Order: sequence, then structure tokens, then C-alpha cells
Amino acid sequence: ETGVTQTPRHLVMGMTNKKSLKCEQHLGHNAMYWYKQSAKKPLELMFVYNFKEQTENNSVPSRFSPECPNSSHLFLHLHTLQPEDSALYLCASSQLGLAGLIQETQYFGPGTRLLVL
Amino acid sequence: TQLLEQSPQFLSIQEGENLTVYCNSSSVFSSLQWYRQEPGEGPVLLVTVVTGGEVKKLKRLTFQFGDARKDSSLHITAAQPGDTGLYLCAGAKFRGGADGLTFGKGTHLIIQP
Repeated sequence: ETGVTQTPRHLVMGMTNKKSLKCEQHLGHNAMYWYKQSAKKPLELMFVYNFKEQTENNSVPSRFSPECPNSSHLFLHLHTLQPEDSALYLCASSQLGLAGLIQETQYFGPGTRLLVL
Repeated sequence: TQLLEQSPQFLSIQEGENLTVYCNSSSVFSSLQWYRQEPGEGPVLLVTVVTGGEVKKLKRLTFQFGDARKDSSLHITAAQPGDTGLYLCAGAKFRGGADGLTFGKGTHLIIQP
């Protein structure tokens, strides 16, 4: 138990569906992240939220839409996905250090296994 | 793009043997982290190394950060079946504020009893 929970754990959706992934962290951290993990590829950073403000969008298609209503919750809204979007979606959180002295320890949730048909 | 190359990609050895996993890059990182991931779960942090040349030990696991902060190694002594899993290295960039990590592809390790 890392203090980061994700729901649902598994999701099957059609290409025309709209769904949302939810992440909650109970660690009091002020930064949250979405990563995508596909077979035979490194973990890919998708989005970074720093104090609820999005600070990085790593060239992610607009069919993925993140939302961070507060520092404990992070959502990933999905619509009109493609089969190649099937992957494990991981949420992580961290506590920012002093500027210039970043020693980022990120704590990951268990992930949502997504299958797009 | 900062890339981390991990080797080997796959490793299957007998219980009791020693092994080393490597993580190399042409880029410098402010810190480097090692995670272990089991099927159906997210990565779990094993260690963070920050200082060039740093060596950290976690029971039978020894982690080293290269002097130039571009590479790292993980050495396991007397491997046990419980060590089986996907080992990931990840580097943090030099930047103020929150930042994501750059991950290697991972090393799939199987320890056979």
C-alpha cells in the first residue's frame, strides 16, 4: 500500500465511449502525475500537476483530458480512444523539494488496466 | 530527449546466484531511482541515489550511482525467488518545480528455485 489509490483497476471501453480514471493520494503531496505503460516501451510521462496547476503536457493527444480539482485528486477523462491507447495507466504523487534541490521520490498507484475495443 | 538504457532486458537465473543490472544514459540526472514492479501493480520505490559515486545497500541489493551521474547499477547477491519482478531505473531532471521521471524499459528478472 503506497498511499495512492486508483479506480477502476480494470476498464474495457469502446472507441466511442467516454470514461474517467480516478486517482487519490493520501500522502499530503503537492504534485501528481499520469504515466502510460505499454508493452515493450518505457513508462511514458503524460501530465504533471504542480500545486493543482498543469505544468507539463507531454504531447498527449487531446482525447486524453486531465483534471486536478485539488492536490489530493487527479482524473484522466477519456473519449474517442483508439485501440493503441490500450495500456496500464499509472498515477503517481510526490512532495516537491526546494527549488533546485529536487530529489523526486514518486509514489505510484496500482494502475488502471485499460482495453480499448 | 533524455533516454535511459537498461540492460539486460531479460534475465533468468538460479536461486543463489549473483546478478547486476545496468542503467546508462548520455544525459546527467539530478537523481536516479530504482523501482520494482510486480504484475498488476504499480512500481514500488527501492532507492534514490543523488550524489555521484554514491553506493547504497538494501539488504542483498547494492545500488551505485556513477561519478558523472549518467549511469547506475543494481547488484543482487544470492538472488531469491522473491526478487522476481520488473526492475526499472528512472532519472530526475535538473529543474525547479515538479517534474516527471524519465524511465528505462526495465529488466525482467526471474529467479528460479
